[in-house]
Amino acid sequence: DAKTTQPPSMDCAEGRAANLPCNHSTISGNEYVYWYRQIHSQGPQYIIHGLKNNETNEMASLIITEDRKSSTLILPHATLRDTAVYYCIVLTQGGSEKLVFGKGTKLTVNP
Amino acid sequence: DSGVTQTPKHLITATGQRVTLRCSPRSGDLSVYWYQQSLDQGLQFLIQYYNGEERAKGNILERFSAQQFPDLHSELNLSSLELGDSALYFCASSVGGLDPAGELFFGEGSRLTVL
Repeated sequence: DAKTTQPPSMDCAEGRAANLPCNHSTISGNEYVYWYRQIHSQGPQYIIHGLKNNETNEMASLIITEDRKSSTLILPHATLRDTAVYYCIVLTQGGSEKLVFGKGTKLTVNP
Repeated sequence: DSGVTQTPKHLITATGQRVTLRCSPRSGDLSVYWYQQSLDQGLQFLIQYYNGEERAKGNILERFSAQQFPDLHSELNLSSLELGDSALYFCASSVGGLDPAGELFFGEGSRLTVL
């Protein structure tokens, strides 16, 4: 069972920042937060992950609250190609636990 | 391009038949994962292999089986096919288990249609 809660859908204007929230109130100390996205019927794509600190890469930024019960994925300048389903997943690093995808958030970037 | 290759891309078959889906992981990746995605179920984890051995099992039906060969490619065998088996089947690979980054690389999927 997915351990996260995400809004089913969000809209964002092209060129603006897209902020996708995720609640993971039962996260334990050794669990990481991972974000993947899936553009229509393509294979899911890894975006970013983090444990406690905020993380940034060329695709996005991940902001994790101090209590680690929620996080936000930020796409700083959304483009039409960012329209996808975004999945927030919590996972024990290095464990045998597999990635469990919930329903995710369908982000639609509008022109 | 993730580096993970899946064949065939599309497959149409009849109920009761058997099919084999093939996956070639990224060069150097030891782990292979299989996922099923149908319209009403979302992405469902089926099974994971690490360096030839089964490592984790998910919601894989008894009619389905998989294996990872010495060259690290993997095959997913689906038998006694039913209409409900129509889905996208994704293969993913990673360096080893979920270390070091927990980053899985997914292929483009094999779309199975059972008529």
